Amino acid sequence: QKEVEQNSGPLSVPEGAIASLNCTYSDRGSQSFFWYRQYSGKSPELIMSIYSNGDKEDGRFTAQLNKASQYVSLLIRDSQPSDSATYLCAVRGGGGGNKLTFGTGTQLKVEL
Amino acid sequence: ETGVTQSPTHLIKTRGQQVTLRCSSQSGHNTVSWYQQALGQGPQFIFQYYREEENGRGNFPPRFSGLQFPNYSSELNVNALELDDSALYLCASSFTGQGVGGYTFGSGTRLTVV
Repeated sequence: QKEVEQNSGPLSVPEGAIASLNCTYSDRGSQSFFWYRQYSGKSPELIMSIYSNGDKEDGRFTAQLNKASQYVSLLIRDSQPSDSATYLCAVRGGGGGNKLTFGTGTQLKVEL
Repeated sequence: ETGVTQSPTHLIKTRGQQVTLRCSSQSGHNTVSWYQQALGQGPQFIFQYYREEENGRGNFPPRFSGLQFPNYSSELNVNALELDDSALYLCASSFTGQGVGGYTFGSGTRLTVV
């Protein structure tokens, strides 16, 4: 079982729709959870962090965490073509210590 | 506040050669982590440096080594390069101390081994 699992996609959504990205993790001791956006050929950019169960909203982005189900999600409202990128889920803490462990990423395509 | 800077941006090396990649951490950060990202994959943890010492290592052979300097900058050295070492190498800085936070990544070094 991979430590952090994501559907590789591509996930295609029409412009203006809600994009829903999902991630599961195996280490129950994980304490911090992050979503990074990565454009092709560029480095990852932190867009959301979440540390406790529930929802956290920042502009068009909402991160959701359910530690009991070991599940993290990212919702992007009013999706724009500029949101087209690969979204990486990362976890920190537990047996992994201070390092970030990444999933393979989900490719999102927002179509006009 | 300066961000994370990496050099060089691109590099082409021959199999068997050695390479050194450099990273300057973000102002206020004291920890540097190195990641390898192959095409189509998520970043893989190589190692982390804190207080000039290795503070965790991923599943990479000893020919991958590193240093952290008193100003928190860091180097990644790879000896005896193999074709599979071709990847984007990412440096990320963070603060180890009170509180938690994400990593800030540099723009990366694209290494091609031929």
